[in-house]
Amino acid sequence: NAGVTQTPKFQVLKTGQSMTLQCAQDMNHNSMYWYRQDPGMGLRLIYYSASEGTTDKGEVPNGYNVSRLNKREFSLRLESAAPSQTSVYFCASGDEKLFFGSGTQLSVL
Amino acid sequence: AQRVTQPEKLLSVFKGAPVELKCNYSYSGSPELFWYVQYSRQRLQLLLRHISRESIKGFTADLNKGETSFHLKKPFAQEEDSAMYYCALSGLSGNTPLVFGKGTRLSVIA
Repeated sequence: NAGVTQTPKFQVLKTGQSMTLQCAQDMNHNSMYWYRQDPGMGLRLIYYSASEGTTDKGEVPNGYNVSRLNKREFSLRLESAAPSQTSVYFCASGDEKLFFGSGTQLSVL
Repeated sequence: AQRVTQPEKLLSVFKGAPVELKCNYSYSGSPELFWYVQYSRQRLQLLLRHISRESIKGFTADLNKGETSFHLKKPFAQEEDSAMYYCALSGLSGNTPLVFGKGTRLSVIA
């Protein structure tokens, strides 16, 4: 049972480049989330999906888009990366308590 | 709007001393409160939730609606308790996503 799987684990981008962070869960959860973790800021919600086919903005959605491809997969896309998006990104799933992925360390130069 | 406040960024205690990590919240509805923990090089994981009223690894937390607090306590700190602790809040109805505080880093000194 893999739980929540995120890829890639590390990524370096140049300003203006685009990329997609992938997330998949095998626990049959309805809800999936994307958070970013920054020093001194804790975890801030970017987007979430309460069920397949729905997505909603969180606290810091600007510069990001998401796709709930099916019940298992929830991807996060940066269309034009900016240095302010340098962060550690966590995907999570869960309908009562959350299960987290191992994180993606993203640097935008 | 939901808000979680953890006033301490860093808390250092000696091994065997009591620990209290503070958490205050703001929420207009019926809250569900959680503590999540992130040990070094490990995934963020649930430590405990208030509706379970359980004790995990010697930690307890009581929801005080009058003071809007959910402080995490342990009577005797262990070195392996050193980690980042996050208090989190959602609505009991399940319609609101989990909102986290900024976290408190606990350092237990031998």
